[in-house]
Amino acid sequence: DAGITQSPRHKVTETGTPVTLRCHQTENHRYMYWYRQDPGHGLRLIHYSYGVKDTDKGEVSDGYSVSRSKTEDFLLTLESATSSQTSVYFCAISGLGGLEETQYFGPGTRLLVL
Amino acid sequence: DQQVKQNSPSLSVQEGRISILNCDYTNSMFDYFLWYKKYPAEGPTFLISISSIKDKNEDGRFTVFLNKSAKHLSLHIVPSQPGDSAVYFCAATFFLQAAGNKLTFGGGTRVLVKP
Repeated sequence: DAGITQSPRHKVTETGTPVTLRCHQTENHRYMYWYRQDPGHGLRLIHYSYGVKDTDKGEVSDGYSVSRSKTEDFLLTLESATSSQTSVYFCAISGLGGLEETQYFGPGTRLLVL
Repeated sequence: DQQVKQNSPSLSVQEGRISILNCDYTNSMFDYFLWYKKYPAEGPTFLISISSIKDKNEDGRFTVFLNKSAKHLSLHIVPSQPGDSAVYFCAATFFLQAAGNKLTFGGGTRVLVKP
């Protein structure tokens, strides 16, 4: 257990509404990541953070924003949800961010946008 | 453009036999490779990794082989057990200072081990 929780675990929302997903860690790790998992695509990086208030874009960042005001929390926001953002979202953490640093994943949030 | 590909979406194997999962990559900058295992409704869990300076890494029943010239890696599970039934993801990365360890994943291979 890497001390990562995600909330909510499941959410159904309507197109056009804002949605915020939360990732919380108890490990005091520096690096945090948001991925989405879709059939045939594996996991794709949305955004990542390398410190408090330090974030950058990943491979599929359009339509998403993130914030990290505390070490332990990394928020993913869909400003105006679309059906293409229906997916399973995973948060991950790593300590040093070095090449051989293993990433630990949270349990995921299943989001359905109607 | 998928930089990491797992061309077999599924694999069925008898308990006790060998499972071989394959992964190909296109980005020559990748120098560290990982395999993750994922059960339904759970997050991926780290299984085994290999650095580009090696061609083989072993951990119990799991062995990963890397062929840099072919840009190909494989995961061998011997012997396969019913508890190994899961989706396996190959991932690759290269070190970017101050940017962390961003992983690029393949599409996954679903393994079913039959008793």
